[in-house]
Amino acid sequence: SQQGEEDPQALSIQEGENATMNCSYKTSINNLQWYRQNSGRGLVHLILIRSNEREKHSGRLRVTLDTSKKSSSLLITASRAADTASYFCATALSYKLSFGAGTTVTVRA
Amino acid sequence: DAMVIQNPRYQVTQFGKPVTLSCSQTLNHNVMYWYQQKSSQAPKLLFHYYDKDFNNEADTPDNFQSRRPNTSFCFLDIRSPGLGDAAMYLCATSREGTGSYNEQFFGPGTRLTVL
Repeated sequence: SQQGEEDPQALSIQEGENATMNCSYKTSINNLQWYRQNSGRGLVHLILIRSNEREKHSGRLRVTLDTSKKSSSLLITASRAADTASYFCATALSYKLSFGAGTTVTVRA
Repeated sequence: DAMVIQNPRYQVTQFGKPVTLSCSQTLNHNVMYWYQQKSSQAPKLLFHYYDKDFNNEADTPDNFQSRRPNTSFCFLDIRSPGLGDAAMYLCATSREGTGSYNEQFFGPGTRLTVL
């Protein structure tokens, strides 16, 4: 069942700007992951943050996790047209993932 | 390159006509998953195989079945597709065990249309 709720549902930004999206969840987790999905394609794993971590970076991506608030955020810095996609958070309690509904990001050139 | 492959990419079937979707992987991962994703929705887990053990989600309709004849291949069978089964079907794999962190690797998906 879907556990994550993402906010906003859609985001439109200018190339070069930063994009921030948020994910809230309801139950305990082992880790939280973010995935990207280009239109009509499969999902690509972006970054994983464990429940005992608070922040993680990977290239232009920055993820935070606040387990007390059961929330996470994904920041994409200096966005590019190629970042246009849907972004999903997924919570993991064991090895199964529960996905949020996603945030659709459009980067305008 | 190691990857997850799904065939076909697009499948059209008729209402009630059985259909089989295929997934193969070269990652040698021990867990394989099938998800259903409808337009603008989250991927919904249908079932998964942990090695040879089949694990069905409680709300997966009986109309959906799966087979995993070996480590590399997994099939999704829809016995009598209804219009509501039109969706993208995603196969994913992961390596589970000591020290693994549940990252899943997805195939490109099969878009199923039911006429």
